[in-house]
Amino acid sequence: GQSLEQPSEVTAVEGAIVQINCTYQTSGFYGLSWYQQHDGGAPTFLSYNALDGLEETGRFSSFLSRSDSYGYLLLQELQMKDSASYFCAVRDDNNDMRFGAGTRLTVKP
Amino acid sequence: DTAVSQTPKYLVTQMGNDKSIKCEQNLGHDTMYWYKQDSKKFLKIMFSYNNKELIINETVPNRFSPKSPDKAHLNLHINSLELGDSAVYFCASSQSGLAPLPGEQYFGPGTRLTVT
Repeated sequence: GQSLEQPSEVTAVEGAIVQINCTYQTSGFYGLSWYQQHDGGAPTFLSYNALDGLEETGRFSSFLSRSDSYGYLLLQELQMKDSASYFCAVRDDNNDMRFGAGTRLTVKP
Repeated sequence: DTAVSQTPKYLVTQMGNDKSIKCEQNLGHDTMYWYKQDSKKFLKIMFSYNNKELIINETVPNRFSPKSPDKAHLNLHINSLELGDSAVYFCASSQSGLAPLPGEQYFGPGTRLTVT
């Protein structure tokens, strides 16, 4: 079957670095995306990896290893406003966007 | 300017009623989607439309029907509402069509549907 696995919860302190992992098993693969969703808000796009390697956008970086069906989102210099849920997502060969169940990140002072 | 808008933001209704949720995007995208997010925050795609044609139809009950009057609008009609339909429904849009797509979608603010 098709699945995306990511941790349900992660806790870290302000200023720290946190890594949220995602492993996927899908029929076909057209890139790994990451979305952020604050409580009561809508998912917002963070990053996209189509090829292996690291993509950096400010404090956030995303990594992909297609051979391992694995990626991660790296958040540096954590701020309180980073407390949110983070979803990995894969577009498969049916053109379906499959989302993981989300990782709830709590940033503490 | 709001890129993807939905109305209403909140919808409370009784079982058995029929309701609609409207979605509009002003980004010029040619693909629009509907997602359901349940209480556990699991996002599940329901439908997508590309150039007014349905290209994804997940196994959702046929009580749910998407309707797209034009490329900028994708409305969701729900008949005979059930308790289990209570969730947040998100509309989204993206730039590309049927080819392998980049992973960026723009989401509307969501409609919280409560069925009593």
